Amino acid sequence: SQKIEQNSEALNIQEGKTATLTCNYTNYSPAYLQWYRQDPGRGPVFLLLIRENEKEKRKERLKVTFDTTLKQSLFHITASQPADSATYLCALQMDSSYKLIFGSGTRLLVRP
Amino acid sequence: EPEVTQTPSHQVTQMGQEVILRCVPISNHLYFYWYRQILGQKVEFLVSFYNNEISEKSEIFDDQFSVERPDGSNFTLKIRSTKLEDSAMYFCASSGLATDTQYFGPGTRLTVL
Repeated sequence: SQKIEQNSEALNIQEGKTATLTCNYTNYSPAYLQWYRQDPGRGPVFLLLIRENEKEKRKERLKVTFDTTLKQSLFHITASQPADSATYLCALQMDSSYKLIFGSGTRLLVRP
Repeated sequence: EPEVTQTPSHQVTQMGQEVILRCVPISNHLYFYWYRQILGQKVEFLVSFYNNEISEKSEIFDDQFSVERPDGSNFTLKIRSTKLEDSAMYFCASSGLATDTQYFGPGTRLTVL
C-alpha cells in the first residue's frame, strides 16, 4: 500500500528565511498531491494542489514541486513569518480513488 | 467564503452509546467524506459518499459506522456502539468533483469514557 513520509517531525527556522518541507512516497505516483496546514485542534486547511503532470505550482509565498522520478514533493514558504507556525500535511490522492492519504505532518516553528 | 461546518464541536459519551456527528458541506459540492485523527496520529480516511451512496470506505469503517445524507444540506456519521478507541477528532470534508480539492470542517472532538 502507498506510504508517505514527511521529512522531519519538526522544523525550526528564523523569521524571513525559507522553510522547505519534504514529502516522499512509495510505490505508484499519485494523480494529485496536496498540501494542507493544520493548527492545533483544528481541521486541515487546503493550501496547494499539484497534479502528476505538473512540476511546480506557486501561490503568493508558497511553492510546491513534484518530482515523480524521485517520488518526492517539496513545499517551500519564502519570507517566513511567525504566523506560518503550524503543522503542514502532505496528502496524496491516487487515480480512481476518492480518499486522501495523509502523511504524519511536519511541525514548523518560525522564530521572530 | 463558503465553508464546511460541523456540530457539535465536542461530544462526550459513554462506551456503548450511539453518537451522531453532523456536518453541513459546502452547498454546491457533490462529494462528501469523513476522516478521523486520533490524538498525535495521522489524519485517516473513513468513507466517501456520492449520489446517496458510499463510494469508498476504509477498513476502519466497519458495521458500527454508517453515513447518511438525510436532507439536501446535512451529512451525518453515526457510530452505533462507541468504543474507547473511537475517541478522536472527526473531520467532515466535501469537494465539487472526486478529483477536486477536499475542504475540511473544523472537526468534532469525540471523547468516549
